[in-house]
Amino acid sequence: NAGVTQTPKFQVLKTGQSMTLQCAQDMNHNSMYWYRQDPGMGLRLIYYSASEGTTDKGEVPNGYNVSRLNKREFSLRLESAAPSQTSVYFCASSATGEWNEAFFGQGTRLTVV
Amino acid sequence: SQKIEQNSEALNIQEGKTATLTCNYTNYSPAYLQWYRQDPGRGPVFLLLIRENEKEKRKERLKVTFDTTLKQSLFHITASQPADSATYLCALVAYSGAGSYQLTFGKGTKLSVIP
Repeated sequence: NAGVTQTPKFQVLKTGQSMTLQCAQDMNHNSMYWYRQDPGMGLRLIYYSASEGTTDKGEVPNGYNVSRLNKREFSLRLESAAPSQTSVYFCASSATGEWNEAFFGQGTRLTVV
Repeated sequence: SQKIEQNSEALNIQEGKTATLTCNYTNYSPAYLQWYRQDPGRGPVFLLLIRENEKEKRKERLKVTFDTTLKQSLFHITASQPADSATYLCALVAYSGAGSYQLTFGKGTKLSVIP
């Protein structure tokens, strides 16, 4: 029962490098989310996808792109990493309907130097 | 602008006492409010959900209240134990259009239960 799986768990990038954070869920959920978590700032929504084929911006989308590859997978891409993107990134998913709980992955700790 | 505030960054409490955490919001019309627990190095884990037409919800030692007039939720842990030490996050579920919902989190309150 894997739930939400994120890869990688840790990553160090140099400023200007690009990378894609992968997220997959095996619960047949329609909605998927990407958050970043910084000390003192809490969890902030970057992008979300209400269903396969749709994506919407959250609170802090600048510098990121997303792809909802299929129902299971939702990736987050940093095209040109900046030190301000040093953070812990969490992917989450939930079933359709506002009453449903979100299930989170274990997080990706990203450092941009 | 929309805000979710969890009043205390940190709360220390003696084992056996009741811990009460507060979540206030402004400029939201949430359909639901959720509480999560987060342990260091882990993702948040869902604890409880309360609907806008519910005043109170209980689950074992946990109790949540939701007052849409005051725009506030209270989260109680009774008979607290050191194992309850964690960061607790409130989250608002609000309709964002086109059949989708956003889940927006407060910054969390770090609870430490002292033996």
